[in-house]
Amino acid sequence: DSGVTQTPKHLITATGQRVTLRCSPRSGDLSVYWYQQSLDQGLQFLIQYYNGEERAKGNILERFSAQQFPDLHSELNLSSLELGDSALYFCASSVMAAAGELFFGEGSRLTVL
Amino acid sequence: QQQVKQSPQSLIVQKGGIPIINCAYENTAFDYFPWYQQFPGKGPALLIAIRPDVSEKKEGRFTISFNKSAKQFSLHIMDSQPGDSATYFCAASKGSSGDKLTFGTGTRLAVRP
Repeated sequence: DSGVTQTPKHLITATGQRVTLRCSPRSGDLSVYWYQQSLDQGLQFLIQYYNGEERAKGNILERFSAQQFPDLHSELNLSSLELGDSALYFCASSVMAAAGELFFGEGSRLTVL
Repeated sequence: QQQVKQSPQSLIVQKGGIPIINCAYENTAFDYFPWYQQFPGKGPALLIAIRPDVSEKKEGRFTISFNKSAKQFSLHIMDSQPGDSATYFCAASKGSSGDKLTFGTGTRLAVRP
């Protein structure tokens, strides 16, 4: 158990809808990362927050947004969903902004029909 | 320049065999090369990592070999066991910050009893 909690584990929704994925980092970790894993694809970095502030942005679509709250949990919001957004979304945390080891949650599997 | 190419896509070995997974990179600025292991239904977990000042690093049955001039690194699993069956991702970054990690596409390893 990595200590990172993600909810929901599975989510099925329709195109055009909006969903929110939630992540609670390991106790004491200030940095949260979001990654997308599609079929036959590696892990694509989406966005990073550190202690409530956005620190880095990767290949995140404009339809997607995220935030980190004062209690350090984070939410990833996906809107105007398309079929191609179906993927596993992972949250990871680390102690500092630049840390060698990421601790991943078990992921949220999103299926867009 | 940011790509990390990983091969093979899948690998089947017998128990006791030595699977080898290879990765190649282009960006000579990369200086941190971790391997992550992912079991079905779980998030990736750091297995072993190397920096380019050494050519080999061993942790238990897992060894990373690093060839800086060829811009290649590989993972060897000695005396492989069925419990090693998982997907393995190589990654690379400049610095060890998670926002800069570029992951390979993964290798699905099956170790037959």
